[in-house]
Amino acid sequence: EVQLAESGGGLVKPGESLRLSCVGSGFTFSHAWMSWVRQAPGKGLEWVGRIKSTTDGGTTDYAAPVKGRITISRDDSKNTLYLQMSSLKTEDTAVYYCSTGSRRSGTMSPPFDYWGQGTLVTVSS
Amino acid sequence: EIVLTQSPGTLSLSPGERATLSCRASQSVSSSSLAWYQQKPGQTPRLLIYGASSRATGIPDRFSGSGSGTDFTLTISRLEPEDFAVYYCQQFGSSPLTFGGGTKVEIK
Repeated sequence: EVQLAESGGGLVKPGESLRLSCVGSGFTFSHAWMSWVRQAPGKGLEWVGRIKSTTDGGTTDYAAPVKGRITISRDDSKNTLYLQMSSLKTEDTAVYYCSTGSRRSGTMSPPFDYWGQGTLVTVSS
Repeated sequence: EIVLTQSPGTLSLSPGERATLSCRASQSVSSSSLAWYQQKPGQTPRLLIYGASSRATGIPDRFSGSGSGTDFTLTISRLEPEDFAVYYCQQFGSSPLTFGGGTKVEIK
């Protein structure tokens, strides 16, 4: 059974930094493209960024609102995905999910078959 | 960036009725890279449809997806009580990946 477990959320002040972690199990983590998705309270889903599998280059892509303030990385030896966030703003307040999926024919990027339970980040003074 | 616009924002229907949800893209999306998700209050999103029309594992056949190019549709043939939720479309083929704003299907 695929499991994703996020941790590291909490209450921080504007301008501070925070690192989230996501541990995966039940699948070959090193082969997986991993994404972070966030959801502000009462709002919709917003893709934050992703990291490709190491075998596919391990490159990262980020959404415009967070580009330059976040870094996504992975440690395949620990089956762990990271989201390092800096210069946090009140509008970064959200539940942060890690997600992954199985590649289907016709596309390199997978849809999001699997989601963690999320970790809440609250940015407030 | 590909912007996905979902309509209507809210759909009020009764159990047993048919629901038709629309997702329109600002530029052409490969059908292989279009997905639909369901999210119930307090729960994580669940993948329903990928590749515009393929049902994910365990998804009932009352859910179907269609469309191509810039216009995609999710249809729920007969609403069950557990289908009242928020539905999101997503394109995952072009970076940045994007989600639509969601359609809430509520009980009339």
